[in-house]
Amino acid sequence: AQKVTQAQTEISVVEKEDVTLDCVYETRDTTYYLFWYKQPPSGELVFLIRRNSFDEQNEISGRYSWNFQKSTSSFNFTITASQVVDSAVYFCALSEGYSTLTFGKGTMLLVSP
Amino acid sequence: NAGVTQTPKFQVLKTGQSMTLQCAQDMNHNSMYWYRQDPGMGLRLIYYSASEGTTDKGEVPNGYNVSRLNKREFSLRLESAAPSQTSVYFCASSEVKRTGNTIYFGEGSWLTVV
Repeated sequence: AQKVTQAQTEISVVEKEDVTLDCVYETRDTTYYLFWYKQPPSGELVFLIRRNSFDEQNEISGRYSWNFQKSTSSFNFTITASQVVDSAVYFCALSEGYSTLTFGKGTMLLVSP
Repeated sequence: NAGVTQTPKFQVLKTGQSMTLQCAQDMNHNSMYWYRQDPGMGLRLIYYSASEGTTDKGEVPNGYNVSRLNKREFSLRLESAAPSQTSVYFCASSEVKRTGNTIYFGEGSWLTVV
């Protein structure tokens, strides 16, 4: 069975600090997909990134970067120079093959000015 | 593009009442989903529909029924609401491709059962 663990329940940082959100997953499949979603205070779920199990290349998008490591079953998300607008709940999720998503319980990020 | 649209956005029900949450997507996706979100629990899958005419139970299906009316619409029904069904409900859709299955969510429906 697939499982996603986000051990950090809440993180508080001051603006301009870098912050890393951890995600550890469990799966028996060799083909799977990992996701990050952002849920701002307004409540909607915003898709950030999808990563395929056969592509361990890290990805950077502006201030966001993702570190995928199969050896440790981790898919961590780093925000560089955090801003108040980054305050949100962030969810990591896993999909085995073409199955539905299994979500972690989320990490609430609070960025103060 | 509207994406995934769900209604109503807010609803208060009395215990035992019934109601239907409506969901429609305009992305021509085959798969649709209903999730619920509770504090500290993340999102849990209630039901999903891999294609028009099919539905399957997810992690927490008890107390719910679904209907995949056509390719665009997927409704969630609470036949006899209970306080434990107080939650935020998200409808979602996806197009399964060989490169992966990215799910797009609606804006959520806040349901309170008193």
